[in-house]
Amino acid sequence: EDKVVQSPLSLVVHEGDTVTLNCSYEVTNFRSLLWYKQEKKAPTFLFMLTSSGIEKKSGRLSSILDKKELFSILNITATQTGDSAVYLCAGLSVGGATNKLIFGTGTLLAVQP
Amino acid sequence: GAGVSQSPRYKVAKRGQDVALRCDPISGHVSLFWYQQALGQGPEFLTYFQNEAQLDKSGLPSDRFFAERPEGSVSTLKIQRTQQEDSAVYLCASSPWTEAYTGELFFGEGSRLTVL
Repeated sequence: EDKVVQSPLSLVVHEGDTVTLNCSYEVTNFRSLLWYKQEKKAPTFLFMLTSSGIEKKSGRLSSILDKKELFSILNITATQTGDSAVYLCAGLSVGGATNKLIFGTGTLLAVQP
Repeated sequence: GAGVSQSPRYKVAKRGQDVALRCDPISGHVSLFWYQQALGQGPEFLTYFQNEAQLDKSGLPSDRFFAERPEGSVSTLKIQRTQQEDSAVYLCASSPWTEAYTGELFFGEGSRLTVL
């Protein structure tokens, strides 16, 4: 059965801290690993990782995928209160006529001023 | 509009009632997905359309759930004889891609269903 496990489930930090969010996956017909940010409404896309070992960066956020260990991390440096959200990791399964995202339960990040 | 639009945003139903949730994807988007997100959980896949064809409905939890996209644009998720365990946010997402999937799904803000 497909599964995506995120840790920690929740995290409280202070502004300026650096955080690392973890995601492990077991997804059949795995194609890519995606990260989304969800702030009480629609998840918004952050990264898609398809190749191992290649870091993707966007401002203070970065992410990397390890396809051997079936693992990804999302780093946020110099956190700000606006980073407070649930961060969702999802494995993209592509097979036959379908493609779908298998989501983890998310990591709830709270950044205190 | 520019984004994925869902309606109603909030729906309260009595147990046993039928509900219909609507999704207006971004114009021209080929792929459309429905996800169910229970409180404190990640979204769970329900079904996938490519244009008007429902290519995957493996995530629909029971035969009380039915989805359609008759003209390849607007989609409706129907839940018959609602049960309390159906209470969740139902997210719709669309993508311009089919097999050449880039990963960037555009999500709507969801329809929050509460079954009393």
